[in-house]
Amino acid sequence: AQTVTQSQPEMSVQEAETVTLSCTYDTSESDYYLFWYKQPPSRQMILVIRQEAYKQQNATENRFSVNFQKAAKSFSLKISDSQLGDAAMYFCAYTGNQFYFGTGTSLTVIP
Amino acid sequence: EAGVTQSPTHLIKTRGQQVTLRCSPISGHTSVYWYQQALGLGLQFLLWYDEGEERNRGNFPPRFSGRQFPNYSSELNVNALELEDSALYLCASSLVERLDNEQFFGPGTRLTVL
Repeated sequence: AQTVTQSQPEMSVQEAETVTLSCTYDTSESDYYLFWYKQPPSRQMILVIRQEAYKQQNATENRFSVNFQKAAKSFSLKISDSQLGDAAMYFCAYTGNQFYFGTGTSLTVIP
Repeated sequence: EAGVTQSPTHLIKTRGQQVTLRCSPISGHTSVYWYQQALGLGLQFLLWYDEGEERNRGNFPPRFSGRQFPNYSSELNVNALELEDSALYLCASSLVERLDNEQFFGPGTRLTVL
């Protein structure tokens, strides 16, 4: 069965610094997609970044980038130049024949 | 453009009762997804509807059911409520029936079962 694991329940980062959130997944599928979603305290989740498994190039969206290691089934999120507005719960998600989310990492940004 | 809306915001029920949660997707979106977000468990996929049809279902008992209407809005029904059904229920919508599509989430309905 597919699973998504986020081993860091909580992380903190100084404003303007870089932080990496970890995510691993388990699957036997060859075609799938990976996502990072952000859930701010207001609760509505928004997409941060997405990665197609067949693409070797790591996705990048402004200050957000991923390190996708397909063989290791690892999909970490790097946030550069952290801002106060980055404080949120971050969920790693896998989409194959179904949708699987990790348990989330709560990120605190310290001014 | 209005986002995904859900009603009600909060709901309190007792064990054994039935509940209906409602979701209106973003205009033009045909796919609707339902998730359960229980404390400490992340999001658990419940149901996926597209064009009025159930496309996929998560590992939940049959007392969790739903439907999608011709206007693409959706209902989630939970029968015979149990204490462990207490959670935030999130609805999401996407433009088309594609696995790589971004899902847009609503604010959720907080269900408390006493």
